[in-house]
Amino acid sequence: EVQLVESGGGLIQPGGSLRLSCAASGFTVSSNYMSWVRQAPGKGLEWVSVIYSGGSTYYADSVKGRFTISRDNSKNTLYLQMNSLRAEDTAVYYCARVSRDGYNPWGQGTLVTVSS
Amino acid sequence: SYELTQPPSVSVSPGQTARITCSADALPKQYAYWYQQKPGQAPVLVIYKDSERPSGIPERFSGSSSGTTVTLTISGVQAEDEADYYCQSADSSGTYLWVFGGGTKLTVL
Repeated sequence: EVQLVESGGGLIQPGGSLRLSCAASGFTVSSNYMSWVRQAPGKGLEWVSVIYSGGSTYYADSVKGRFTISRDNSKNTLYLQMNSLRAEDTAVYYCARVSRDGYNPWGQGTLVTVSS
Repeated sequence: SYELTQPPSVSVSPGQTARITCSADALPKQYAYWYQQKPGQAPVLVIYKDSERPSGIPERFSGSSSGTTVTLTISGVQAEDEADYYCQSADSSGTYLWVFGGGTKLTVL
């Protein structure tokens, strides 16, 4: 079964750092495009970042320079390193496999709360 | 920036047909995708490449495209279809590859 499981969310103070993980099963992360999407409380979906199978990475302007997407092929896991966190980064963060057939599947999400 | 425009809400009675639109300049050149999100759950892909339906998605979900507007149609709406629906696409230059619409709340009366 193709599945994604996120972890690493929590409460963090403004200016702090957090690393999210997304463990994949049923497919190989490094052979696919993988993405992070977030959803602030009561708001819509916001694309955050993508890593291509070749290793190229892209970011939304709102997180560029602060967030880093990466993967560990040996662990078949996707990561999102988040630095200099702000209150507006508070959201549920989802990882998803990306293809020309859409974002499918999605993980269950992990909540990041940035607050003092 | 690049924006996909959706109506904030659509309401229909059970058994009726719901149509949710998504508009943007590049839609004649770029595929659109649709996601369903129920409260407290992750989004689920319901339509890809404008009109293709993933396995496991009921046949009552369909998609179409006309000019700068794409439409998600749910025929014979059921109570379980009440959810938020998001379209996704890209701009024509490839600068903004993964953009989501603002979402449409479908209410089943």
